[in-house]
Amino acid sequence: KNQVEQSPQSLIILEGKNCTLQCNYTVSPFSNLRWYKQDTGRGPVSLTIMTFSENTKSNGRYTATLDADTKQSSLHITASQLSDSASYICVVSARNTDKLIFGTGTRLQVFP
Amino acid sequence: DAGITQSPRHKVTETGTPVTLRCHQTENHRYMYWYRQDPGHGLRLIHYSYGVKDTDKGEVSDGYSVSRSKTEDFLLTLESATSSQTSVYFCAISVGTSGLGTDTQYFGPGTRLTVL
Repeated sequence: KNQVEQSPQSLIILEGKNCTLQCNYTVSPFSNLRWYKQDTGRGPVSLTIMTFSENTKSNGRYTATLDADTKQSSLHITASQLSDSASYICVVSARNTDKLIFGTGTRLQVFP
Repeated sequence: DAGITQSPRHKVTETGTPVTLRCHQTENHRYMYWYRQDPGHGLRLIHYSYGVKDTDKGEVSDGYSVSRSKTEDFLLTLESATSSQTSVYFCAISVGTSGLGTDTQYFGPGTRLTVL
């Protein structure tokens, strides 16, 4: 069964600190992996998208990595800001499909 | 937000009543989607559309129907609302021509529906 699992479920860090969120998936055959940021009360917003051949992609202070062999991805946030407080959702798509498999997200809270 | 609006943004209704949610886009994208988001679950696809009058079911389509008579509007109808349909509903569009698998997806602001 195609699944996406994220850890931790929630995370609290202090402003200015770094953090790493994890995503493990069992989707096959793999097409691409995306990370979304979802602020409270808003729709998800795309941060990065990576295909099989890409193992790192950055978007400002956000850096996503992908290991297609172990089927793991991480999202690293550098020098966190209060505005980084949100849920971060990992989404994987399988090749030749119109469906996305969503993780349940990691809820990040950044405190001053 | 890729020009996506949803209406209403909040709705409270009673069990057994019909409810229609509207998604409107301003950029004539071909693909549109309806998702629901519930605690403990990832976003789940209800229905999607790949053109005017062309729609298909997602993984949680029971109790929902959709219509797309114009490119810019995608309607989601709960024919007889139940408490299990209390959720936050998101509309999304794909920017591209290949569909969900490879195109970038943009989400609307969501509609919070409560069924009493």
